[in-house]
Amino acid sequence: DTEVTQTPKHLVMGMTNKKSLKCEQHMGHRAMYWYKQKAKKPPELMFVYSYEKLSINESVPSRFSPECPNSSLLNLHLHALQPEDSALYLCASSQVTGKSSNQPQHFGDGTRLSIL
Amino acid sequence: GENVEQHPSTLSVQEGDSAVIKCTYSDSASNYFPWYKQELGKGPQLIIDIRSNVGEKKDQRIAVTLNKTAKHFSLHITETQPEDSAVYFCAPGGGSQGNLIFGKGTKLSVKP
Repeated sequence: DTEVTQTPKHLVMGMTNKKSLKCEQHMGHRAMYWYKQKAKKPPELMFVYSYEKLSINESVPSRFSPECPNSSLLNLHLHALQPEDSALYLCASSQVTGKSSNQPQHFGDGTRLSIL
Repeated sequence: GENVEQHPSTLSVQEGDSAVIKCTYSDSASNYFPWYKQELGKGPQLIIDIRSNVGEKKDQRIAVTLNKTAKHFSLHITETQPEDSAVYFCAPGGGSQGNLIFGKGTKLSVKP
């Protein structure tokens, strides 16, 4: 079992739907991340939150909207997605000591998203 | 930006053999060198990491070695078991880019 919990595990949605992915951790980590992973590819960074503030947005289309309501929760709001957005969406968390990029990241098992 | 290359892309070994995966990076400022294991249907899990002030680290059957001069680090798995079958990613960090930079992955298959 991982210490980062993602819900739902699977999601099928149409291109006009609005849905949200949720991520929760209780390790006291103050950095949280969203990644997108296509089949047989490495994870690609989408967003980084540090102390509940957005610190990195890797030029992600506005149809993906992240939210960090508190230090334990991270959401990804989805609207008007395209079929190419079908992928595994991974959440991760880490401590923030100096650079977050040199801290171990703890991943959830992801949400498998399919866009019809 | 950081350029990360991981070799081989696939590796097949017999149970009990050793496996070695190499990761080469370009950013000399990188100072954190983790390896992640991703099993089918799961997220990546950190299995071992090393920092730039250390040359080698071991944890039971797994070890990581770092050559900062040559800018590469390697994952060593001894006495491989079928449950070691997975995709392994290197992800150097701490450099000029704001996050870990993942290699393309190595699919390891351990045949019983």
